[in-house]
Amino acid sequence: AQSVTQLDSHVSVSEGTPVLLRCNYSSSYSPSLFWYVQHPNKGLQLLLKYTSAATLVKGINGFEAEFKKSETSFHLTKPSAHMSDAAEYFCVVGTNKLIFGTGTLLAVQP
Amino acid sequence: NAGVTQTPKFQVLKTGQSMTLQCAQDMNHNSMYWYRQDPGMGLRLIYYSASEGTTDKGEVPNGYNVSRLNKREFSLRLESAAPSQTSVYFCASSERTAMNTEAFFGQGTRLTVV
Repeated sequence: AQSVTQLDSHVSVSEGTPVLLRCNYSSSYSPSLFWYVQHPNKGLQLLLKYTSAATLVKGINGFEAEFKKSETSFHLTKPSAHMSDAAEYFCVVGTNKLIFGTGTLLAVQP
Repeated sequence: NAGVTQTPKFQVLKTGQSMTLQCAQDMNHNSMYWYRQDPGMGLRLIYYSASEGTTDKGEVPNGYNVSRLNKREFSLRLESAAPSQTSVYFCASSERTAMNTEAFFGQGTRLTVV
């Protein structure tokens, strides 16, 4: 069975500092992994996806994630946070449907 | 581009009432999904339709029914609403149900059952 665990429910950073949102997955085979973002009172938007090509995946708005099979991790990073990054972020594992983590709420302080 | 359109955006129901949430996509996608989002629980799959004419249960199907009316439309019905069904409901679609396929989401329906 596939599952995904987001290790932090809330993360707070200052504007201009790095962002790290942590995600671990469990899968009996090589998974597809996604990060989605949800801004307040909005739908979900795909940030990036890993589908067994390059292990370092670049997404929109300067985000990237690295697939580490040995650690079963797919952490999301951004070098410098912007106020507009404040949102909820979901790590997702893809099977024949998408299985969501419980989300990480990112706050960006001025 | 409309993408995935859900109606209504907001709804208040009394316990025991019924209602249907509508969803339509204009991307010619084969697969459609209904999720519910509750605080601290992420999105949980209620039902999905891999292709026109098929539907399958997800993680939390109890209390819901679905209809894949045609390739574009996938509706979710609450026959007898309960307070536990207070949630935000999202419809999504994807080209297929293959594991590496991105899903596109509607804006959500905020449902309150009193």
